[in-house]
Amino acid sequence: AQSVAQPEDQVNVAEGNPLTVKCTYSVSGNPYLFWYVQYPNRGLQFLLKYITGDNLVKGSYGFEAEFNKSQTSFHLKKPSALVSDSALYFCAVRVYTDKLIFGTGTRLQVFP
Amino acid sequence: ETGVTQTPRHLVMGMTNKKSLKCEQHLGHNAMYWYKQSAKKPLELMFVYSLEERVENNSVPSRFSPECPNSSHLFLHLHTLQPEDSALYLCASSQGSRGTSPLHFGNGTRLTVT
Repeated sequence: AQSVAQPEDQVNVAEGNPLTVKCTYSVSGNPYLFWYVQYPNRGLQFLLKYITGDNLVKGSYGFEAEFNKSQTSFHLKKPSALVSDSALYFCAVRVYTDKLIFGTGTRLQVFP
Repeated sequence: ETGVTQTPRHLVMGMTNKKSLKCEQHLGHNAMYWYKQSAKKPLELMFVYSLEERVENNSVPSRFSPECPNSSHLFLHLHTLQPEDSALYLCASSQGSRGTSPLHFGNGTRLTVT
């Protein structure tokens, strides 16, 4: 069965510092991987996806993520955090023709 | 403007009421979804419609009844709900219900059952 794990409920980082939000997955087959962000009182917003090809994918708002097949990870990164990046981040995985599975979410708090 | 519009944004209803949540997508997608988001729980997929046909029903109680009259509109009819049904209900759409297309979400309806 497919599963995705976000091991940290919350990540705290100072503004201007690099940030990482972790995601690991377990699937049978080649995964399609996604990151979404949710701001307060809003729906989820698509940030980026990995389907195939280059392991480093770039997305909206300066975020990027690295697909690591051997570690079955897809961590979200940003070189320099902004206070406005504070939000709830969801990783999701799908194997083609199966349904999308979301992680439990990681709250990112960026302090000024 | 997210491309997916949900109304109402907030809804308070008693356990004996009947109400409906509405979702409209302006993105030309052919798949639509209902998700339930509760505090401290993973996002729960409720229903999936592809080309206006229901393709997934994740063991959702019958007090939730979806309707998809066309590829742009999705409803969730509610009746005799329980307090534990209080949550944020999110609608989403995508091009195809499988594969690589990301989901586009509305801002949700915050439902409180009293």
